[in-house]
Amino acid sequence: GEKVEQHESTLSVREGDSAVINCTYTDTASSYFPWYKQEAGKSLHFVIDIRSNVDRKQSQRLIVLLDKKAKRFSLHITATQPEDSAIYFCAASMEGNNRIFFGDGTQLVVKP
Amino acid sequence: DAGVTQTPRHEVAEKGQTIILKCEPVSGHNDLFWYRQTKIQGLELLSYFRSKSLMEDGGAFKDRFKAEMLNSSFSTLKIQPTEPKDSAVYLCASSLGLGDEQYFGPGTRLTVL
Repeated sequence: GEKVEQHESTLSVREGDSAVINCTYTDTASSYFPWYKQEAGKSLHFVIDIRSNVDRKQSQRLIVLLDKKAKRFSLHITATQPEDSAIYFCAASMEGNNRIFFGDGTQLVVKP
Repeated sequence: DAGVTQTPRHEVAEKGQTIILKCEPVSGHNDLFWYRQTKIQGLELLSYFRSKSLMEDGGAFKDRFKAEMLNSSFSTLKIQPTEPKDSAVYLCASSLGLGDEQYFGPGTRLTVL
């Protein structure tokens, strides 16, 4: 089955800097790549996604890039704020299947 | 709109007991998922239902874990018998359909002594 790997288990940045979280996947059939955020003591919630028909998507300070050839995708958070501190999970799923495969999560710490 | 609700929020069980966790998905959602979250294993899929039909049952979790969806607005996850290694947070999520975001419930923290 699909395997999603997150390269950074922890990431620390200064407030105002950009943060980049990188993920890779193994199955070329994967076509949908969502990102979820989990704040301390809370459950996961969706933040942004990208589908395989585009290679870039932006929502306010969040940018997702997709490189299908390299089977790699990344989340860029610009102008980080303390409230961005959380665990971020990347995920992948295939066309016609709603099951998503999660990475292990990246703990982002934004220092004031 | 009500989100995904899960009860109980915390459960403490003795080894060997049977416990039942409950989930109510977002109204109108067709897909429902049960996950287990631990620091070591991360997020593991236990079960996946589409329109009340079981699509995936999480393989390794078959023997003591049983999820059911008796109607479109209610699902249960039974663990029988519980073991200390089952201590984890159990998350329920629902989505409208293919390629739609999953909405997660607050989770049930299970401790097995």
